[in-house]
Amino acid sequence: EVQLLESGGGLVQPGGSLRLSCAASGFTLSSYAMSWVRQAPGKGLEWVSGISGSGGTTYYADSVKGRFTISRDNSKNTLYLQMNSLRADDTAVYYCAQDRFRGVQGVFDVWGQGTTVTVSS
Amino acid sequence: DIQMTQSPSSLSASVGDRVTITCRANQSISSHSNWFQQKPGKAPKLLIYAASSLQSGVPSRFSGSGSGTDFTLTISSLQPEDFATYYCQHSYIAPYSFGQGTNLEIK
Repeated sequence: EVQLLESGGGLVQPGGSLRLSCAASGFTLSSYAMSWVRQAPGKGLEWVSGISGSGGTTYYADSVKGRFTISRDNSKNTLYLQMNSLRADDTAVYYCAQDRFRGVQGVFDVWGQGTTVTVSS
Repeated sequence: DIQMTQSPSSLSASVGDRVTITCRANQSISSHSNWFQQKPGKAPKLLIYAASSLQSGVPSRFSGSGSGTDFTLTISSLQPEDFATYYCQHSYIAPYSFGQGTNLEIK
């Protein structure tokens, strides 16, 4: 069964850092591009970042560019999101999502259950 | 960046009704539109991709249409499990933005 399991969320102070992980099972991670999508409390969905299957191409939303870094370790079947300089408006549930393709195409057909990040003092 | 504007933002309907949700992009995105269903506390679920392709396992009462800037999601006969929030999204070029969502409620 194809499954994505996020971890690493929690409470962090403004200006702090956090690293999210997304463990993939049931498929070979390197065959697919991956993205992070977030949802602030009571709000809609916001695409955050994407990475190609090889890891050679990355994309970011303007709201996180320069602060967040997406990466992957295909040997560990794991996707990461390093989040620095966190702000209150980064508070959200963060989902990892599998693209239908090896290149970043933005069609997300498998999602994890999400991990909650709260930025507050 | 491409913006997706969804309407209506909320909708009340009854079991058995035919429902249509629309989405407009602020520039042409060809057929690069997708639709998701989300229930409270759950991850989104892909329903339609490439404007009109039904994702595997999704009931055939769901359909999508459109190209260019205007897209629609139609549910032909609402079932109790269809009451949820629906989002359109474009996959034309990063950043891959979503519409603001349509909350489909029971009348």
